[in-house]
Amino acid sequence: KNEVEQSPQNLTAQEGEFITINCSYSVGISALHWLQQHPGGGIVSLFMLSSGKKKHGRLIATINIQEKHSSLHITASHPRDSAVYICAVGSSSGTSYGKLTFGQGTILTVHP
Amino acid sequence: DTEVTQTPKHLVMGMTNKKSLKCEQHMGHRAMYWYKQKAKKPPELMFVYSYEKLSINESVPSRFSPECPNSSLLNLHLHALQPEDSALYLCASSQIESGRYEQFFGPGTRLTVL
Repeated sequence: KNEVEQSPQNLTAQEGEFITINCSYSVGISALHWLQQHPGGGIVSLFMLSSGKKKHGRLIATINIQEKHSSLHITASHPRDSAVYICAVGSSSGTSYGKLTFGQGTILTVHP
Repeated sequence: DTEVTQTPKHLVMGMTNKKSLKCEQHMGHRAMYWYKQKAKKPPELMFVYSYEKLSINESVPSRFSPECPNSSLLNLHLHALQPEDSALYLCASSQIESGRYEQFFGPGTRLTVL
């Protein structure tokens, strides 16, 4: 079992739909990161959170530390949101302090 | 300036060639990272530099040789690579080496080994 599990692996939506991507982890973490990668492109950091909820525009990220679970929500989805969304956790271990452990990614396709 | 730059964008090399990838940031970050990413997979950490010193080496083959000449610059020297080393190589930086700090990624170098 991977230390970071994302679901779903693939997600197709119609423009305007509300989207949720889930991330569960099994290790102690210092913070959880949500990243976005467009095809052939570099990676953009969307959120970093260690508790509660954060919002940027149409994107909302939540984390429940007790349940070891985070969600990324996209409201009023748009075709330009089509990308791979990756959940990554920062280690709380002293020997791997700078290391991020990545989920497998969720491929989101939003159709017009 | 919140940008990490990488050069070249694309690189094709033979198995006997020697080449280098370059990464630069001017955000004053003291941690810099090299990742390797194969198609449809998440990035895999290769190396971490913290305050210009190698902090983490994820058992990477010696045909990959990292170098951090100063706090803004990170190089990855390549020699005698194999076709399976073809991948997207991503550089990232963060304020310090900690999973509590946001990592800023460069656009990557697409490497093809013939």
